[in-house]
Amino acid sequence: GAVVSQHPSRVICKSGTSVKIECRSLDFQATTMFWYRQFPKKSLMLMATSNEGSKATYEQGVEKDKFLINHASLTLSTLTVTSAHPEDSSFYICSAPSLGDTEAFFGQGTRLTVV
Amino acid sequence: ILNVEQSPQSLHVQEGDSTNFTCSFPSSNFYALHWYRWETAKSPEALFVMTLNGDEKKKGRISATLNTKEGYSYLYIKGSQPEDSATYLCASFSGSARQLTFGSGTQLTVLP
Repeated sequence: GAVVSQHPSRVICKSGTSVKIECRSLDFQATTMFWYRQFPKKSLMLMATSNEGSKATYEQGVEKDKFLINHASLTLSTLTVTSAHPEDSSFYICSAPSLGDTEAFFGQGTRLTVV
Repeated sequence: ILNVEQSPQSLHVQEGDSTNFTCSFPSSNFYALHWYRWETAKSPEALFVMTLNGDEKKKGRISATLNTKEGYSYLYIKGSQPEDSATYLCASFSGSARQLTFGSGTQLTVLP
């Protein structure tokens, strides 16, 4: 199957700093990528849909100024958590749909800890 | 049903037991139903992608069925093994939204 690479897998940062998470499609072009967050004891919640060449679409309740998404090319989408706070500590994971939208390919996920 | 719902939330079974769990999803505008096996801090691993009503898929000891008219899918594990311990997620793919909506998952623990 297709490969989506997410980096870093784990990051610890100080409160108030910004963290960038990258999601790359390695062997296919992804005009759309999805960013999810896992809250404690809950499933994956969609944060936003990243669209190549245009603005991301954010889900209700997700602050677009806090979670900056950039989809600069057909193989790279980034999520930047700005001015991180301890409550932003979570597991973030990206996915890209296959051609025809029949399935989703996931990155490895990023465990963010804000101290 | 507006959301994707899974039951039970967690399950403990003995090694060798067979088990099953349920995923309920909106039947309107249905496109596909996905099952994933997810271990903590790893990528979800795709098990099945199902699209047709009445579809039944099998992968080793794991199988799944799909009823798109009533909006549910069952995942079965035959002869559970400790390595089957994981969270099993289902997700409904809406054709109009082009995005997956995940259920809360069923956390399976297989005791040796």
